Amino acid sequence: EIVMTQSPATLSLSPGERATLSCRASPSVGNNLAWYQQKPGQAPRLLIYGAATTTTGLPARFSASGSGTEFTLTISSLQSEDFAVYYCQQYNNWPLTFGQGTKVEIK
Amino acid sequence: EVQLLESGGGLVQPGGSLRLSCTASGFAFNNYAMSWVRQAQGKGLEWVSTITATSISTYYADSVKGRFTISRDNSKNTLYLQMNSLRAEDTAVYYCAKRAVAGIGHCLDPWGQGTLVTVSS
Repeated sequence: EIVMTQSPATLSLSPGERATLSCRASPSVGNNLAWYQQKPGQAPRLLIYGAATTTTGLPARFSASGSGTEFTLTISSLQSEDFAVYYCQQYNNWPLTFGQGTKVEIK
Repeated sequence: EVQLLESGGGLVQPGGSLRLSCTASGFAFNNYAMSWVRQAQGKGLEWVSTITATSISTYYADSVKGRFTISRDNSKNTLYLQMNSLRAEDTAVYYCAKRAVAGIGHCLDPWGQGTLVTVSS
C-alpha cells in the first residue's frame, strides 16, 4: 500500500497570505496525484489531478507541482473561502490512498 | 449538471447488513468507473471500493474485503454497496464518487453529499 503523508497537519494563516501544503508518497506515484478541498459539512471537491492540472473554473491562485514522491499545493493569496481541509490522493496503485489532510485555518 | 445522490444509510446493529445506493444523473453513467469513499466523524477520507464502467473489475480496501460488495446497474444509472457483517468501525459517512476523467486514472469528481451509516447496538 502506498502511504501518503501530508504536512503540516494544521496551517494557521491570515487572509492574503500564501499557503504551501506538502504531500509525500511512499513509494513513488509518478504524476498520479490529486488534491481535494473539503469544507465543513460538504463533500470533497477535486482541485488538481495529474499532480499539476487544475480543474475547470479553479481560481488562478491555486497551483500545484511535484512528481514521484514530493508534491506541493500552493494557494498564492488566501481568500476567506479557501479555509478548509485539503487532502492529497494517489491513484497510481490499488488501493487508492489519501493523506490524512491539512487544515488551513484562519489565524 | 452531474449529480450523485446516495441513499440507504441508517442505524444498524453490529453484524447486520445495509445496502447503499447512489443514483447518478447528468452524465453517461455507463462510461465511468464509480467509487465509494467513507469518512468517520472528524477523521480523514478512506477509499472503500471501485467498480469499472462495465463491472468487469472491482477493487476493495482490505478493511472491507469479503464483507462489502460493490455493484452497478447501468440501466438504472445506479451504484450500490452491499455491506454485510458490519462493525462499529464501519460507522462513517459514505460518499459515492465518479471517476473524474476517463482514461486519466481514478481521481474522483464529483462526489455525492454522503449518507451516514451508524453501526451500534
